[in-house]
Amino acid sequence: SQKIEQNSEALNIQEGKTATLTCNYTNYSPAYLQWYRQDPGRGPVFLLLIRENEKEKRKERLKVTFDTTLKQSLFHITASQPADSATYLCALSYSSASKIIFGSGTRLSIRP
Amino acid sequence: GAVVSQHPSRVICKSGTSVKIECRSLDFQATTMFWYRQFPKQSLMLMATSNEGSKATYEQGVEKDKFLINHASLTLSTLTVTSAHPEDSSFYICSARDRSRANQPQHFGDGTRLSIL
Repeated sequence: SQKIEQNSEALNIQEGKTATLTCNYTNYSPAYLQWYRQDPGRGPVFLLLIRENEKEKRKERLKVTFDTTLKQSLFHITASQPADSATYLCALSYSSASKIIFGSGTRLSIRP
Repeated sequence: GAVVSQHPSRVICKSGTSVKIECRSLDFQATTMFWYRQFPKQSLMLMATSNEGSKATYEQGVEKDKFLINHASLTLSTLTVTSAHPEDSSFYICSARDRSRANQPQHFGDGTRLSIL
């Protein structure tokens, strides 16, 4: 069955360091991979989308890589800040119009 | 930017009550909306895809007679939890896709916290 795993349930790092979150998937060949941020009691907020033919995408302090051979995506936040503390969700879909399947999420805490 | 509004944000009711949750796209039209459920410390699980003017498509294991979905207009989808029981207590989240921007990601609402006593 399809499975999406995010490497750790929780990640704690020092402010200013780069946070790296991992998303691995099996039995799936997504065309799109997305990353979302979710704060407690709120809905997910879209951050970045990367297509299967793209290796890397950047947006301000965020960077996403997509390796379809390894079936893995890495999500980086550089120069991390306490305000970056949240749960980050990886999500896959076959197309831009199809349903999205979410990973279990990684709860990121940035300590001052 | 695109906004999806859910109402109510929180509801507490007695077992056996039916509860209706609304999902509205405020500044765009959505032919497709999605309903998710999220239990504490777990991820979002897709329940059903709501299609304007037609029947919803339910994911495996989701009872369509228990979770009634109506998508009567291009800006509104409703989810009714019928005869709710404590095990239905969860965080329900909807999302909507802008029909005029097919390649753009879905926009999510802020969720409805449902507590059944």
